[in-house]
Amino acid sequence: GAVVSQHPSRVICKSGTSVKIECRSLDFQATTMFWYRQFPKQSLMLMATSNEGSKATYEQGVEKDKFLINHASLTLSTLTVTSAHPEDSSFYICSARGGGTGTTGELFFGEGSRLTVL
Amino acid sequence: AQSVTQLDSQVPVFEEAPVELRCNYSSSVSVYLFWYVQYPNQGLQLLLKYLSGSTLVKSINGFEAEFNKSQTSFHLRKPSVHISDTAEYFCAVSLSLSFGGYNKLIFGAGTRLAVHP
Repeated sequence: GAVVSQHPSRVICKSGTSVKIECRSLDFQATTMFWYRQFPKQSLMLMATSNEGSKATYEQGVEKDKFLINHASLTLSTLTVTSAHPEDSSFYICSARGGGTGTTGELFFGEGSRLTVL
Repeated sequence: AQSVTQLDSQVPVFEEAPVELRCNYSSSVSVYLFWYVQYPNQGLQLLLKYLSGSTLVKSINGFEAEFNKSQTSFHLRKPSVHISDTAEYFCAVSLSLSFGGYNKLIFGAGTRLAVHP
């Protein structure tokens, strides 16, 4: 099946620094990717929808300037957590929509990236 | 707006016993329904999905779920679980194609299935 890869899988950074997480679709082109955030023992919360070649669409309550999303190619989307703080520590998961009829293409999820801000 | 309720946060069960993980959804329009499984420190894997047609859908590893429109439910079942089934299971919903398509997934809170020997 289709593969979505995230990098890094784990990252520890100091408060105030910025961290970039990459999401790649390895064997298919993804015009749309989604970024989720998962708190410990909780469900996934959609943060934003990333569209190739255009600005991301953010969910209500998600700070655009805090979580910068870039989808420069059909196989790569990046999430940059700017000026990270301990409360930004979380598990970030991306997903990409594979091919398929209309918009019913299956969503494939990356392995997730665990961010710890000290 | 759509919402998903997973009634059990944890389900402990012995190996080879049957299990049911409950999922109810709320939506004023037709939706697609999904079950995803998440193993520790990993992303999500699609277990099965209901888009249309037969209301009973099955996965390759023995799980099945039945879409019940009148009860707005999509419970996940397996007649005999294995230790390796221990994981977090998420029920999710998205709008059907005629209402904007399969764009956003709204997840339930998750159910942790713990299979004991």
